[in-house]
Amino acid sequence: AQTVTQSQPEMSVQEAETVTLSCTYDTSESDYYLFWYKQPPSRQMILVIRQEAYKQQNATENRFSVNFQKAAKSFSLKISDSQLGDAAMYFCAYRSPQGGSEKLVFGKGMKLTVNP
Amino acid sequence: ETGVTQSPTHLIKTRGQQVTLRCSSQSGHNTVSWYQQALGQGPQFIFQYYREEENGRGNFPPRFSGLQFPNYSSELNVNALELDDSALYLCASSITPTGSYEQYFGPGTRLTVT
Repeated sequence: AQTVTQSQPEMSVQEAETVTLSCTYDTSESDYYLFWYKQPPSRQMILVIRQEAYKQQNATENRFSVNFQKAAKSFSLKISDSQLGDAAMYFCAYRSPQGGSEKLVFGKGMKLTVNP
Repeated sequence: ETGVTQSPTHLIKTRGQQVTLRCSSQSGHNTVSWYQQALGQGPQFIFQYYREEENGRGNFPPRFSGLQFPNYSSELNVNALELDDSALYLCASSITPTGSYEQYFGPGTRLTVT
């Protein structure tokens, strides 16, 4: 079974600075999808960024980018120019393309605080 | 385009009771997944519905059951509630088949069992 580990329960960053959130996963599959979701206090999970394992190029979405190291099974999220609205819980998630179910396997999450 | 909606927002039940949570999928989405998120934890997959049938299930007992309707909306039913069932229940919708594998979440239902 796949597992996702987020070893840092909390991090803080100054507004306008850059922060990197780490995530590792365990799988025997060669093809899969990885996601970062953001959950603000409003509770709604918001998709931040997606990475397909077969793509060597790291995904980017505006101020958000990932560092995907397939051999190391590492998937970190970099937030540049941090904004107060980035404060939230961040969850790393794994999705296997195999089988009929599209279930996501989540890490325990990391709380990001942005200081003004 | 309407997003995923869930009702009710909050719910308080007594141990042993039954509860039904509801989810309306995002417009055009035909698959609904349910997750349980205990306090301080990541969401755990309960099950998924596609074409009105269960299409995968996580490690949850049979007292957790669901339905999907022809309009793709869904219900999660939990019988014989236990204190450990207290959690945030999240519904997510997606399109099957698809190459993006993205799921879009609703705001959740906070269930408290006393």
